[in-house]
Amino acid sequence: DTGVSQDPRHKITKRGQNVTFRCDPISEHNRLYWYRQTLGQGPEFLTYFQNEAQLEKSRLLSDRFSAERPKGSFSTLEIQRTEQGDSAMYLCASGYSSPLAFFGQGTRLTVV
Amino acid sequence: DQQVKQNSPSLSVQEGRISILNCDYTNSMFDYFLWYKKYPAEGPTFLISISSIKDKNEDGRFTVFLNKSAKHLSLHIVPSQPGDSAVYFCAASETSGSRLTFGEGTQLTVNP
Repeated sequence: DTGVSQDPRHKITKRGQNVTFRCDPISEHNRLYWYRQTLGQGPEFLTYFQNEAQLEKSRLLSDRFSAERPKGSFSTLEIQRTEQGDSAMYLCASGYSSPLAFFGQGTRLTVV
Repeated sequence: DQQVKQNSPSLSVQEGRISILNCDYTNSMFDYFLWYKKYPAEGPTFLISISSIKDKNEDGRFTVFLNKSAKHLSLHIVPSQPGDSAVYFCAASETSGSRLTFGEGTQLTVNP
């Protein structure tokens, strides 16, 4: 399978804990995106990498959120001190020098 | 500030008939538009896109129409099939930009 891969698919965590998600993009894609989707809404942009450089961050990305893409390959999204409002589907997407992005299956986060 | 709006939360059509999903946008800088389909618990799947230099793009049963003066686009699916039942998201971007801005989605149900 050469699509975008996300791990884990589901994560249940207690409020206040830290969580980390991983995304493996399509190998030839130089762009990698993180989006968040809550029930009844479309995906909302969080951040974007071109190769290993994080070029844009949404104001939705509070200082509890950090994303990395070492060596321009896979990416991680960490949420520190999780809150119930962080419960959402976290989507990773990748693309190649255009806005067209291909999405992974997402990580469903539930904060209890 | 909802820059991309899908005003119909749901649409129900009979198998074999045409499905028309609508999308409006407010940002005049948007010049690239996409439609994604999403099944429950999965990430969005790219369907079809259109650049602002065109007013129509067709791919099999799917056609996207763009009316720049009205800042309106629509997705036509003909003939509709039960497997088309999903949530459809309209998304927009500036070609030189990075992020996609999504609408809220329309739940399409195709009845056998």
